[in-house]
Amino acid sequence: NAGVTQTPKFQVLKTGQSMTLQCAQDMNHNSMYWYRQDPGMGLRLIYYSASEGTTDKGEVPNGYNVSRLNKREFSLRLESAAPSQTSVYFCASSERTGFLGYFGPGTRLTVT
Amino acid sequence: GIQVEQSPPDLILQEGANSTLRCNFSDSVNNLQWFHQNPWGQLINLFYIPSGTKQNGRLSATTVATERYSLLYISSSQTTDSGVYFCAASDGNNRLAFGKGNQVVVIP
Repeated sequence: NAGVTQTPKFQVLKTGQSMTLQCAQDMNHNSMYWYRQDPGMGLRLIYYSASEGTTDKGEVPNGYNVSRLNKREFSLRLESAAPSQTSVYFCASSERTGFLGYFGPGTRLTVT
Repeated sequence: GIQVEQSPPDLILQEGANSTLRCNFSDSVNNLQWFHQNPWGQLINLFYIPSGTKQNGRLSATTVATERYSLLYISSSQTTDSGVYFCAASDGNNRLAFGKGNQVVVIP
């Protein structure tokens, strides 16, 4: 099992560009999450999906959109990147909502 | 939402020493977890412990829900224990709130 995979691992964007971060899990988990981690901070929840076909906002959803494409995949889209979105993004999955089981390796995003 | 505070923010340990990390939370919780982030950034779930005590090797955790705190014990520390330890809690709204972490450095 690969667990939780994320692509890309690194990305540099210019202000105003768009991109999609991909996340996939092969553990048949119902719940998937997107977090961001900034220096000296804990993780902050952007969006989560309790099950296929549902998504909900987390603590910091502004500037992001998500798609739960199927049970395996949960993508995060930045429509118009801003320097404030420079961060490390983690995807996570779990068998039940409100519990974090497994994290992906992270995507380091820099917006200039 | 629930607030999570961790102490101490930074800790330097000699290999073989024991330590205790503390997590205070602001409200009743139905989930509390401890995570370890290694120096390469990988996050691992250590404990799910909304109440009681659990042990896993040299690590153990205790949550006293009525007093709103949790403790993570590291015994006989090793250099591989270095990294950041995060506490995260939720009050039933499916959203885990993270503390800012305890940065631990174990020196040989």
